[in-house]
Amino acid sequence: SSELTQDPVVSVALGQTVRITCQGDSLRNYYASWYQQKPGQAPILVMFGKNNRPSGIPDRFSGSSSGNTASLTITGAQAEDEADYYCNSRDSSGKHLGNVFGPGTKVTVL
Amino acid sequence: QVKLQESGPGLVKPSETLSLTCTVSGASISSTTYSWGWIRQPPGKGLEWIDTMSHSGSTYYNPSLKSRVTTSIDTSKNQFSVRVTSVTAADTAVYYCARHYNSAFDVWGQGAMVTVSS
Repeated sequence: SSELTQDPVVSVALGQTVRITCQGDSLRNYYASWYQQKPGQAPILVMFGKNNRPSGIPDRFSGSSSGNTASLTITGAQAEDEADYYCNSRDSSGKHLGNVFGPGTKVTVL
Repeated sequence: QVKLQESGPGLVKPSETLSLTCTVSGASISSTTYSWGWIRQPPGKGLEWIDTMSHSGSTYYNPSLKSRVTTSIDTSKNQFSVRVTSVTAADTAVYYCARHYNSAFDVWGQGAMVTVSS
């Protein structure tokens, strides 16, 4: 079983707000990073650290964290945001380079 | 612009060794700023972290794969590689190489599909 848990499927109406969550003990001490993956494509980084967006990621994406839960929020979801989203953080070893991915959340834009 | 490109056989027989190489352009693999990693994705499933290697060569492995995986670096070619021994059908996946920076995988290769079959 994964050390990080995510809801399998989340739906959002076009233009509305959706929050994708990721839970795990490591998130109490370390930030999550978030990846968007569309069918047939490699994942891309959309959020890292406290609330940092890589260059080119729209500002409708934001990140937050509280306790053992990290969240990725899409404010004003667009059709192109329909994708799988994966969280990532350190694994239970706590080592700087030890990693684990969540199982992913499929976001459907209605 | 940093680019990563995976290369290697697309078909491997059961019990044999899977070998893939990642060629990095636009950044030095020797830089002390970055680490480098491998992630895989079985068909229709989620991402699975394989390992991450620091610029110094220290490598951290997924405990579930540690006994079968090794990573190496070739600074002269700006490449790093992964080997998975004793493969089974469960190792069939798209294998991605990625750069690790600021506790995130910020640049990914396009992925290489590897099928384990006789």
